[in-house]
Amino acid sequence: TQLLEQSPQFLSIQEGENLTVYCNSSSVFSSLQWYRQEPGEGPVLLVTVVTGGEVKKLKRLTFQFGDARKDSSLHITAAQPGDTGLYLCAGSPIMEYGNKLVFGAGTILRVKS
Amino acid sequence: DSGVTQTPKHLITATGQRVTLRCSPRSGDLSVYWYQQSLDQGLQFLIQYYNGEERAKGNILERFSAQQFPDLHSELNLSSLELGDSALYFCASSTDISYEQYFGPGTRLTVT
Repeated sequence: TQLLEQSPQFLSIQEGENLTVYCNSSSVFSSLQWYRQEPGEGPVLLVTVVTGGEVKKLKRLTFQFGDARKDSSLHITAAQPGDTGLYLCAGSPIMEYGNKLVFGAGTILRVKS
Repeated sequence: DSGVTQTPKHLITATGQRVTLRCSPRSGDLSVYWYQQSLDQGLQFLIQYYNGEERAKGNILERFSAQQFPDLHSELNLSSLELGDSALYFCASSTDISYEQYFGPGTRLTVT
């Protein structure tokens, strides 16, 4: 069973602070995706990383895929209240037929103004 | 709006009953995935269809089945419902060559 361990589970910070969310596994993934989910809604895709060592930036969000494609991180600079939500990492296990996603348990982020 | 549609939005039914959830993928997407999200298990992959054929299966219960029709919409059938089946059910779609999956708004199933 491929597991994605996501940490921290909860994060409560002040507006303007920086934060990093981690996603780790002992398994290798073909790709790794980060989603954001609001209560009662579907996950919204933020980014997909596919190459080991890849770094992608989306405004104040920076995503990194580990060299061995077993881990990833999401860094938010100068967090804003609008960043509040559930962040999920999801990986597509290598050597598995199909493109199923294995999800981490999620990080609930609260940014206080 | 991801372009993936799901109906109904909410469903309340009794134990032992059967329900059908419907999903229409994004235009041009051939793959459809079904996921279950519960508080204790998080988001779990159930099953994937590609262009009408089953492609991959997760820990989907035998009481659950799915299919993808020629127009590419998909249905997830849940039968002999139990209290523990109460969850959010999401459909996602992707092109075959893309790793990126786009999720629908979900169906909230409540079994009483």
